Amino acid sequence: NAGVTQTPKFQVLKTGQSMTLQCAQDMNHNSMYWYRQDPGMGLRLIYYSASEGTTDKGEVPNGYNVSRLNKREFSLRLESAAPSQTSVYFCASSEVPTLTYEQYFGPGTRLTVT
Amino acid sequence: AQSVAQPEDQVNVAEGNPLTVKCTYSVSGNPYLFWYVQYPNRGLQFLLKYITGDNLVKGSYGFEAEFNKSQTSFHLKKPSALVSDSALYFCAVRASGTYKYIFGTGTRLKVLA
Repeated sequence: NAGVTQTPKFQVLKTGQSMTLQCAQDMNHNSMYWYRQDPGMGLRLIYYSASEGTTDKGEVPNGYNVSRLNKREFSLRLESAAPSQTSVYFCASSEVPTLTYEQYFGPGTRLTVT
Repeated sequence: AQSVAQPEDQVNVAEGNPLTVKCTYSVSGNPYLFWYVQYPNRGLQFLLKYITGDNLVKGSYGFEAEFNKSQTSFHLKKPSALVSDSALYFCAVRASGTYKYIFGTGTRLKVLA
C-alpha cells in the first residue's frame, strides 16, 4: 500500500499563477482533508470531504477550491496564487464511520509563491 | 468552538529521563483525542488516540497519554526518552459527530544526549 500520495513535492509559482495539488489514497477511506502548515500556526484545515461527492470549508478556505474526483482522489486548486499561500500543504484521509478515526497523512507539498 | 492548546513551544529533556508534552482541549460533547509526530520534511504520523474507555492509552514507540476529563487534558508521556524521539508533536481533537479535526500549534521535543 502506498497510503496517501501527493504531487508535486515542491513547486514555485509566481503571483497570479494557478496550480492544482493532487492527492490520492489507496486505503478505501471515506474522508479526505487538505491542511496547510505554517511555522507557529500548526495545521490549519483548508477544506475537507466527509465522503465522495461532498466538500466543506475548513478554517482557511479563501483562495482555494477543491474537487473530490472519486473516492480515491481529492485535489486542491489555487486559482490565483498569492505570497500568503506560501506554505507546506498536507493531504490526509480517514476511515469513517468506524471507531478508528485517526488520519493518515501524505508527505506534503512545499509551495513557494514569489 | 473546538480548540486545542499546546502551551509549550519546545520541551528539552535529557536522554533516559521521563518526558511530558502537554495538551489541553475544549470541545462540546465527547472528545476524540490524538497525538501525532512529525519528523523533519515528513508528513504527520499517528502515535495514539483516546476514543473511550481506559484513561491511559498506549501507543507507538513506547509513548502513552493520559486523558483527564476534569482537567480537559491529554498529556503525552514516555518513561525514558530517546534522542530519536526528537521531533515535532501535535495534539488534535475531534468532537463526536463531526468530521473536522482541530490541531494544536505543535511542541518541539529535543532529547539531549
